Amino acid sequence: GNSVTQMEGPVTLSEEAFLTINCTYTATGYPSLFWYVQYPGEGLQLLLKATKADDKGSNKGFEATYRKETTSFHLEKGSVQVSDSAVYFCALSGAGSGGSNYKLTFGKGTLLTVNP
Amino acid sequence: DSGVTQTPKHLITATGQRVTLRCSPRSGDLSVYWYQQSLDQGLQFLIQYYNGEERAKGNILERFSAQQFPDLHSELNLSSLELGDSALYFCASSVATAANYGYTFGSGTRLTVV
Repeated sequence: GNSVTQMEGPVTLSEEAFLTINCTYTATGYPSLFWYVQYPGEGLQLLLKATKADDKGSNKGFEATYRKETTSFHLEKGSVQVSDSAVYFCALSGAGSGGSNYKLTFGKGTLLTVNP
Repeated sequence: DSGVTQTPKHLITATGQRVTLRCSPRSGDLSVYWYQQSLDQGLQFLIQYYNGEERAKGNILERFSAQQFPDLHSELNLSSLELGDSALYFCASSVATAANYGYTFGSGTRLTVV
C-alpha cells in the first residue's frame, strides 16, 4: 500500500536559518503530494501541493519539488521565522481510479521549533 | 477559519460511554472525511462520505460509526469508549470524491476518556 516516510523530529533552528524536512513515499502510479502544517491547538492546513512529476509547489516561502526518480518531496525554506514553528506533515493521495485515491496517507509529522 | 466546523472542541467522558462528534463541511464540499490523530498512531483515516453515501472505510473500529445527513453535515459516533480512544478527531472536506487536490480540515475535537 501507499506510505510516507518523513524525517524524525524535533528540528530546532535559529531564526533565518535554512530549513529542509525530508519526505519520501511509496506508491503505485503517480500520486499527488502535499505538505500540511499544524500550528499548536489547530487543525491541519494545506501548505503546498504538487500533482505531477517535476512540479514545484510553493507557498509562504516554502517550496517542495515532486521528484519521481527519487520518490521524494522534500520541504525547504530559505529563511525560517519564529512563526513557522509548527508540526509539518507530508502526505500523498493515491493515483488510481475508484477507491484508491479517496484518502490522504500522512507521514508521522516533524515538529519544527524556531528560536529567535 | 477554514470553513469546516467541528463541535465540540473538547469532550471528557468516562469509559463505556457513547459520544457524538459533529462536523459541518465547507460550503460546496460534498465529501467528508474523518481522521483520528494520536501520538503513537499518527493520523489514521477512519471513513469517508460523499453526498450522503459511505465511500470508503479505513481503520475504523466496529464500536465507531458515522453518517452524513442530507444537509451534508456528518456525525461520528463512538461507543463503549476505552481509554485508548482518547485522541484528536479531525473532520475534513473536499469538493470531489478524490483527494488529489487535498482536503480542508476542521480544528478537531479533543476526546479524553477517563
